[in-house]
Amino acid sequence: DSGVTQTPKHLITATGQRVTLRCSPRSGDLSVYWYQQSLDQGLQFLIQYYNGEERAKGNILERFSAQQFPDLHSELNLSSLELGDSALYFCASSAGYRELETQYFGPGTRLLVL
Amino acid sequence: GIQVEQSPPDLILQEGANSTLRCNFSDSVNNLQWFHQNPWGQLINLFYIPSGTKQNGRLSATTVATERYSLLYISSSQTTDSGVYFCAVRSTRGYFGNEKLTFGTGTRLTIIP
Repeated sequence: DSGVTQTPKHLITATGQRVTLRCSPRSGDLSVYWYQQSLDQGLQFLIQYYNGEERAKGNILERFSAQQFPDLHSELNLSSLELGDSALYFCASSAGYRELETQYFGPGTRLLVL
Repeated sequence: GIQVEQSPPDLILQEGANSTLRCNFSDSVNNLQWFHQNPWGQLINLFYIPSGTKQNGRLSATTVATERYSLLYISSSQTTDSGVYFCAVRSTRGYFGNEKLTFGTGTRLTIIP
């Protein structure tokens, strides 16, 4: 168990809908990362937050947004869902106050858009 | 951006065999992690190894940063070792605070009883 929790584990929804994925980092970790794993794109970095502030952005679509709350949990919002958004979404966390750190990954949320 | 290549893409072995998985990267890195993704999709940290050699039980890893590659060794394979092994790196070109990892495409390992 990495200490990173994600809910829900599975999500089935329809095209055009909006969903929210939730992540709680390891205790004491300030940085949260979101990654998407799809069959055609592999594992890709979406966005990073550090202590509530956006720190880095990857290939995140404009229909997607995220935030990190004062209690350090993070949410990834996916809107106007398309079939191609079906993927495994991972959250990871790290301490955030050293330059080079291990990232620990949560169990993922498997999203299926029908 | 940095490119990460893993080889071989697929590997099928008998239980008890040894294997070597390779990760090549196109630029200098200051973070390199190996992960095992099990059949249930969970990503399990194996090593944080931007340089040097580490061992953990039947697994060991070596990163030669100056030559831009890392190797993961699995000895006496067990069926529970099956899954996909990923290498992920952080380029030194990233600015402080941007810790994004770039993943390779993985090596799918299947261990046959």
